[in-house]
Amino acid sequence: EPEVTQTPSHQVTQMGQEVILRCVPISNHLYFYWYRQILGQKVEFLVSFYNNEISEKSEIFDDQFSVERPDGSNFTLKIRSTKLEDSAMYFCASSGRTRSHIQYFGAGTRLSVL
Amino acid sequence: GQSLEQPSEVTAVEGAIVQINCTYQTSGFYGLSWYQQHDGGAPTFLSYNALDGLEETGRFSSFLSRSDSYGYLLLQELQMKDSASYFCAVSTMGNTPLVFGKGTRLSVIA
Repeated sequence: EPEVTQTPSHQVTQMGQEVILRCVPISNHLYFYWYRQILGQKVEFLVSFYNNEISEKSEIFDDQFSVERPDGSNFTLKIRSTKLEDSAMYFCASSGRTRSHIQYFGAGTRLSVL
Repeated sequence: GQSLEQPSEVTAVEGAIVQINCTYQTSGFYGLSWYQQHDGGAPTFLSYNALDGLEETGRFSSFLSRSDSYGYLLLQELQMKDSASYFCAVSTMGNTPLVFGKGTRLSVIA
């Protein structure tokens, strides 16, 4: 069964450093999302991406964040200068043209900012 | 604003039936989804309702009442592996971001 793949599974970084989280969505999907989940809390939307541009973003997604689809398969989330409060699990998700209400999530990247 | 309310914890006995409720207040509504998340794992899609009524998928069923802004997830013949967090989530269009509730932690005991 096709799945969303995320790398790395765990990223440790120093405050102020840049990190790039990588995702390979399901191949024929058109809609891509990043969510985050702080430990013990709910999943929160960050940004959605369609047709090579951001379609929607939350107030969390400030100027420190950016997304890219550099080629036909990868979807990346960059945090320019990490803060302690960026420590969370980051999930990538994708959905297809049909049954687009179903989002398929990757296993996540745990980001630890020290 | 957007808010979804669901119980924080539920405990049930193996083999029993449990119902997890969700009420929502959102600006726009397209459908209500349910996701399961085991500790350290990814949210996994379980069920979806866009119209009023019951949707059945094996041991899991989900119900929606749009007029009451209310839905529930019903888990039957509970198994130990069902111990996980369950999130309700609203979508305002078919391919828009999901707004998640805070999740209900289900513990299945012997």
